Amino acid sequence: DGGITQSPKYLFRKEGQNVTLSCEQNLNHDAMYWYRQDPGQGLRLIYYSQIVNDFQKGDIAEGYSVSREKKESFPLTVTSAQKNPTAFYLCASKSGWAEHEAFFGQGTRLTVV
Amino acid sequence: AQSVAQPEDQVNVAEGNPLTVKCTYSVSGNPYLFWYVQYPNRGLQFLLKYITGDNLVKGSYGFEAEFNKSQTSFHLKKPSALVSDSALYFCAVRDLNTDKLIFGTGTRLQVFP
Repeated sequence: DGGITQSPKYLFRKEGQNVTLSCEQNLNHDAMYWYRQDPGQGLRLIYYSQIVNDFQKGDIAEGYSVSREKKESFPLTVTSAQKNPTAFYLCASKSGWAEHEAFFGQGTRLTVV
Repeated sequence: AQSVAQPEDQVNVAEGNPLTVKCTYSVSGNPYLFWYVQYPNRGLQFLLKYITGDNLVKGSYGFEAEFNKSQTSFHLKKPSALVSDSALYFCAVRDLNTDKLIFGTGTRLQVFP
């Protein structure tokens, strides 16, 4: 069953803690993306990676970090430096430059308590 | 910079009536345009894309979109709305230089019985 799996679905974090969101894909896609969704603001790009061991900052990378050690995995760490981390986080992947559309996971809702 | 705009936060339509969700774009070069749908607390599902060719693009679930170069628009349409079409709809454009997908702010579609 191919697809993109994000875990956990819901996550609660205390202020000052780092937390890591998981994103795994078995579609053999080269490119992977992390977006943040807030009401009324659409999707904003945090980080993206077009190939293993390489990634680039998106529009709102401050307070976040990523790694891409394996093709199928692109975890996102929300650090204590992120001032407003409560949001819905979406991971996506795309086959490569020749393909146009991206495919999304089901999202992780992070709440700071 | 590439961008898309969705001028309506919400669109209301009665079941059985035609629906239109508006999107305008601003790109340098040829536009690569997409529509996605999101149901509550879920990821985004790809509906359709315009890359080149026929200005009327057909997609999933009976949706279609009309590309209009002179008006720089890519409106999503459906001849007969269903209550189950109620969801959040996003227009997006692909930035070919960076392979990023840039999203609009989303339009909430409410279909009333």
